Amino acid sequence: AQTVTQSQPEMSVQEAETVTLSCTYDTSESDYYLFWYKQPPSRQMILVIRQEAYKQQNATENRFSVNFQKAAKSFSLKISDSQLGDAAMYFCAWAGGSRLTFGEGTQLTVNP
Amino acid sequence: GAVVSQHPSRVICKSGTSVKIECRSLDFQATTMFWYRQFPKQSLMLMATSNEGSKATYEQGVEKDKFLINHASLTLSTLTVTSAHPEDSSFYICSAKLAGVRNEQFFGPGTRLTVL
Repeated sequence: AQTVTQSQPEMSVQEAETVTLSCTYDTSESDYYLFWYKQPPSRQMILVIRQEAYKQQNATENRFSVNFQKAAKSFSLKISDSQLGDAAMYFCAWAGGSRLTFGEGTQLTVNP
Repeated sequence: GAVVSQHPSRVICKSGTSVKIECRSLDFQATTMFWYRQFPKQSLMLMATSNEGSKATYEQGVEKDKFLINHASLTLSTLTVTSAHPEDSSFYICSAKLAGVRNEQFFGPGTRLTVL
């Protein structure tokens, strides 16, 4: 069974600084997708960034980028120039077929 | 982008009653929809996978007779919590998958269920 582990229950960052959220996963499959979702206090799940496992290039979306290490089964999220609106719960997720497997989440606080 | 709605956004009911939650894909057809349950400060727990026109597939430990799922069309799935009890109080989230689109799921805004 696939597992996703987020070892940081809570993280904090100063506004305008950079923060990295960790995620590791375990799978025997070679073709899969990885995602980072953001869940703000409204509890609406918002896709932040996705990575296809067959792509070596790390995905980037504006201030958000990932460090995908396939051999190490690591998928960290870097948030640059942190903004107050980035404060949320962040979930790492793995998908091999249709279903998503989520990590436990990291609560990110952004300090002004 | 693909939009998924849920109705109602919050519901309060008495113990023993049944509650129906609707999940709609507004601007796309979803062959597969998913139902999750989330407790405070915890991750999303997949309850069941719903495929249009067929019976839902429930995760281990989820009572299919208690959580009835119907996926009657490509844009609508419903979750009915039957004979609700206080322990069923939770946040329920649905998602819909657009066929062939990089395994991405689009999430509804969630429904907060409180059973008194």
